[in-house]
Amino acid sequence: AAGVIQSPRHLIKEKRETATLKCYPIPRHDTVYWYQQGPGQDPQFLISFYEKMQSDKGSIPDRFSAQQFSDYHSELNMSSLELGDSALYFCASSLEVQGANSPLHFGNGTRLTVT
Amino acid sequence: AQTVTQSQPEMSVQEAETVTLSCTYDTSENNYYLFWYKQPPSRQMILVIRQEAYKQQNATENRFSVNFQKAAKSFSLKISDSQLGDTAMYFCAFMKRKNYGGSQGNLIFGKGTKLSVKP
Repeated sequence: AAGVIQSPRHLIKEKRETATLKCYPIPRHDTVYWYQQGPGQDPQFLISFYEKMQSDKGSIPDRFSAQQFSDYHSELNMSSLELGDSALYFCASSLEVQGANSPLHFGNGTRLTVT
Repeated sequence: AQTVTQSQPEMSVQEAETVTLSCTYDTSENNYYLFWYKQPPSRQMILVIRQEAYKQQNATENRFSVNFQKAAKSFSLKISDSQLGDTAMYFCAFMKRKNYGGSQGNLIFGKGTKLSVKP
């Protein structure tokens, strides 16, 4: 079965540079979530989109922005990168079901290293 | 706001034995879901088991089972017949049940328990 695809798998950037992470959800999934997991930390929710509209917002810095496109893929744009942005970034997708929650399916993550 | 607490940063178990990982949570919600996710060294996030709060019966998935105590807000994971491949970080997570017609919210994770299975 198709899974959530994230690209790139690894990314190295310098401070103050910009990075773009991409997420391709499972086909037919209409909701995308972004999480940030620092070294030795639990995943922290950043932002989510449902049907191309932002549905929820967590601890996403103002330097970051994201969107979901017409084909449901999502991109996380990170500007003015700081050393503390070094982390594993997960994307997850789900399919909205009336009256019930549906499980989140996670991608393999993008490991961002800021030097 | 919801919080998830895992009080055991690290645990170890001998292969073939049974281990229980603890999780407590705090919420004012009545309808919600609880999850255990496994994150092996590959860093992939894998769903182990899921429990719906309105169901009294504890969820089971093969060697994995939970002890869900709603009144105590406790949600422990039992791994039976531990295998070397069970070595991983285990995260307990909470999600509010969505309102009809609304979109579901996000997962709230605990800090994790690092489980090592020893041969």
